[in-house]
Amino acid sequence: DVKVTQSSRYLVKRTGEKVFLECVQDMDHENMFWYRQDPGLGLRLIYFSYDVKMKEKGDIPEGYSVSREKKERFSLILESASTNQTSMYLCASTTGGVQETQYFGPGTRLLVL
Amino acid sequence: DQQVKQNSPSLSVQEGRISILNCDYTNSMFDYFLWYKKYPAEGPTFLISISSIKDKNEDGRFTVFLNKSAKHLSLHIVPSQPGDSAVYFCAARRSTDKLIFGTGTRLQVFP
Repeated sequence: DVKVTQSSRYLVKRTGEKVFLECVQDMDHENMFWYRQDPGLGLRLIYFSYDVKMKEKGDIPEGYSVSREKKERFSLILESASTNQTSMYLCASTTGGVQETQYFGPGTRLLVL
Repeated sequence: DQQVKQNSPSLSVQEGRISILNCDYTNSMFDYFLWYKKYPAEGPTFLISISSIKDKNEDGRFTVFLNKSAKHLSLHIVPSQPGDSAVYFCAARRSTDKLIFGTGTRLQVFP
């Protein structure tokens, strides 16, 4: 079974703090994604990566950066957390290919005070 | 611009009856469609998918219908069970492009 793990299930941070969210997958997937989920807005793509050291902006990259130094690990960084970044953050991975499905981690619920 | 829309934010169905969740899309180039289910405090899990060359795909109690001319997708759950209560997201993609998700429909199945 594919396993995608996220470093924290719940996080509370203060405005201005630097926040690291880490995601690890164990299936040698090339593609990894970071989404945020907000009520009424669904899943919105923040950043994705198709290979090590490669990253592409999604639909809402502002205020975020990412790092992919190893194939299995994809980190999301909030350089200076703000209250509007309070959300559920979801990491996903997939092999790529036409009929791929994405496998999601359990999510990190981040509260920025 | 919301390319994938789920216009019903919530749906309530009695146990044993049919649940029908709807999804509309605007991009006629989408060729692959998926449904995900999400429980609170968990990540979404893949439920069922359909390629644009088909108009129906069935897996147990779950059936997805695709109407390309109407750019409409629906998920039928028969019979509905309390454990089906969750948020359902539809998603669409063109070729190997990134997935575009809808806003979700919260399904509640009551006894």
